[in-house]
Amino acid sequence: QSVLTQPPSASGTPGQRVTISCSGSNSNIGSNYVYWYQQLPGTAPKLLIYRNNQRPSGVPDRFSGSKSGTSASLAISGLRSEDEADYYCATWDDSLSGQVFGGGTKLTVL
Amino acid sequence: QVQLVESGGGVVQPGRSLRLSCAASGFTFSTYGVHWVRQAPGKGLEWVAVMSYDGSNKYHADSVKGRFTISRDNSKNTLYLQMNNLRAEDTAVYYCAKVETAYCSGGSCYGDYYYGMDVWGQGTTVTVSS
Repeated sequence: QSVLTQPPSASGTPGQRVTISCSGSNSNIGSNYVYWYQQLPGTAPKLLIYRNNQRPSGVPDRFSGSKSGTSASLAISGLRSEDEADYYCATWDDSLSGQVFGGGTKLTVL
Repeated sequence: QVQLVESGGGVVQPGRSLRLSCAASGFTFSTYGVHWVRQAPGKGLEWVAVMSYDGSNKYHADSVKGRFTISRDNSKNTLYLQMNNLRAEDTAVYYCAKVETAYCSGGSCYGDYYYGMDVWGQGTTVTVSS
């Protein structure tokens, strides 16, 4: 059971907008930055969003992040076939003194 | 460019030990915290351990506490994970990942251990099996 809760799956058709949620608590999301990672099959995770809503250079602006209280979300607009991947949220947990991840959301582009 | 290269994985029997290494290049290793994260076959990401840039702070996940130890040698730009008393459930791909830049001061940039990861290595596979 992961400390952060994500839906196990999400789907959308090309061009659509999809949102992936990440729910935590005061000791983690509520008091620390949230990060989002994309993992394509057979590859290492890649940073998608840092500090709740910042995009690293090279990440398309179709990807956006937000945080409110103890929850965060990742939005992908203009869905493309190459967005099909696993997405993970992560943050520091002050109570556990460690990094925590969501269970991951498998995004399918129909 | 920033690069992390893990090594040391392999097949090991339950109860034995293994030491993983993570060689860093392209950035000032001594000013960034570094994490170990693992992924069991078909499963999600699991945080394993983190060490601060100067080695003064280190934390381990409960699942490995007392068996795994994170360490670093800043003179060699290398992070280590000593894994003892290995179990079948430790079978996974192990990634090292650098903390993102938290702040810059006096001409140097720093990444504190409680920040997230921005660059990941390609991973090394550990299989624990008799």
